Amino acid sequence: AQSVTQLDSQVPVFEEAPVELRCNYSSSVSVYLFWYVQYPNQGLQLLLKYLSGSTLVKGINGFEAEFNKSQTSFHLRKPSVHISDTAEYFCAVRQILTGGGNKLTFGTGTQLKVEL
Amino acid sequence: GAVVSQHPSWVICKSGTSVKIECRSLDFQATTMFWYRQFPKQSLMLMATSNEGSKATYEQGVEKDKFLINHASLTLSTLTVTSAHPEDSSFYICSAHGPKTNYGYTFGSGTRLTVV
Repeated sequence: AQSVTQLDSQVPVFEEAPVELRCNYSSSVSVYLFWYVQYPNQGLQLLLKYLSGSTLVKGINGFEAEFNKSQTSFHLRKPSVHISDTAEYFCAVRQILTGGGNKLTFGTGTQLKVEL
Repeated sequence: GAVVSQHPSWVICKSGTSVKIECRSLDFQATTMFWYRQFPKQSLMLMATSNEGSKATYEQGVEKDKFLINHASLTLSTLTVTSAHPEDSSFYICSAHGPKTNYGYTFGSGTRLTVV
């Protein structure tokens, strides 16, 4: 089964500084990868996804991620963070199930805390 | 596009009663819906997957008689927590997937269930 690993449970960063949230996935022939953001007591909002094509994926709110097949990574980056970026961030991989179904498998999440 | 509405956003119920949570896809047909449970400061745990018109597929360890899932139409899925107990208190989130979501998964805003 495919899986993702988020090594950093918390990432503190000062406002306007760059940030990188790490995500590594288990190797597979083809992989669909996602980054979601969750604000307190809310559902998940899609930041960006990689399906195929260009390895640099641009998302909403100034975030981008780079798919690196050789390092099996899909790290999320933002060049300059804002206080409003404080939230929980989840990396996820789409799994194809026997029988043709699919589901998302999530990492454990990274709490991004932006400080003044 | 691809909006999912989840209701209620929060509910408090007495121990032993049942609670129904609704998840609606507003502008697309959700051929598959997913129900997750999230404990504080933890990742999302998939409870079950439901395809329209079929019985839900439950993840290992999830009691299907306790967490009843119905997906009777392409735009509506419900999760009923039967005979709720305090240990069922949690944040429940639905997600929908369909032909128009471009391999993406759209999440509802979540339901905070508190059983007293």
